[in-house]
Amino acid sequence: KAGVTQTPRYLIKTRGQQVTLSCSPISGHRSVSWYQQTPGQGLQFLFEYFSETQRNKGNFPGRFSGRQFSNSRSEMNVSTLELGDSALYLCASSSRTSESSYEQYFGPGTRLTVT
Amino acid sequence: KQEVTQIPAALSVPEGENLVLNCSFTDSAIYNLQWFRQDPGKGLTSLLLIQSSQREQTSGRLNASLDKSSGRSTLYIAASQPGDSATYLCAVYNTDKLIFGTGTRLQVFP
Repeated sequence: KAGVTQTPRYLIKTRGQQVTLSCSPISGHRSVSWYQQTPGQGLQFLFEYFSETQRNKGNFPGRFSGRQFSNSRSEMNVSTLELGDSALYLCASSSRTSESSYEQYFGPGTRLTVT
Repeated sequence: KQEVTQIPAALSVPEGENLVLNCSFTDSAIYNLQWFRQDPGKGLTSLLLIQSSQREQTSGRLNASLDKSSGRSTLYIAASQPGDSATYLCAVYNTDKLIFGTGTRLQVFP
């Protein structure tokens, strides 16, 4: 079974631009979560999508948004990029049959550098 | 607010040693706890998942325990190898998301 895939793997953008990152979950998984990892803040939850609906959202500004398609693939978008948005963005998928069996599988991440 | 702490922050040991990594959390109302491994610049690899009703899980040389009442988990690595060098992260899932600790950076030298 193929794992979680993320594209692109590396991205360099300029302040003020916008960016879209893509995540394809493990086949059969309907939940996709996004996390931001920085040296200063560690790993922080951005949002979760389940069956095309945003189920949960972390404490990030509205510049960070996402969506999920009917095939469970997900995209996240960051508008008006700031230098502080430079980070490793990780996507995780889960079958999420119930909270008690919740286990997340992570992709390799997208390294975003904002200059 | 759930907070997850990992001790030690860094560890350097010779090959062959048995290791214990510690994880503590402030809110015991968790659904499960997951241990991950992260190699530099890479994503996270799931090592072990302990559900809230379980006390421990084992996989190969790894054993993780969970004590919800005291808000603690330990990851035991037996007979460490240089290939175990990585950052180890614990994360708890207690309402709607994973909350991560800051990690333990492990280096195992030959």
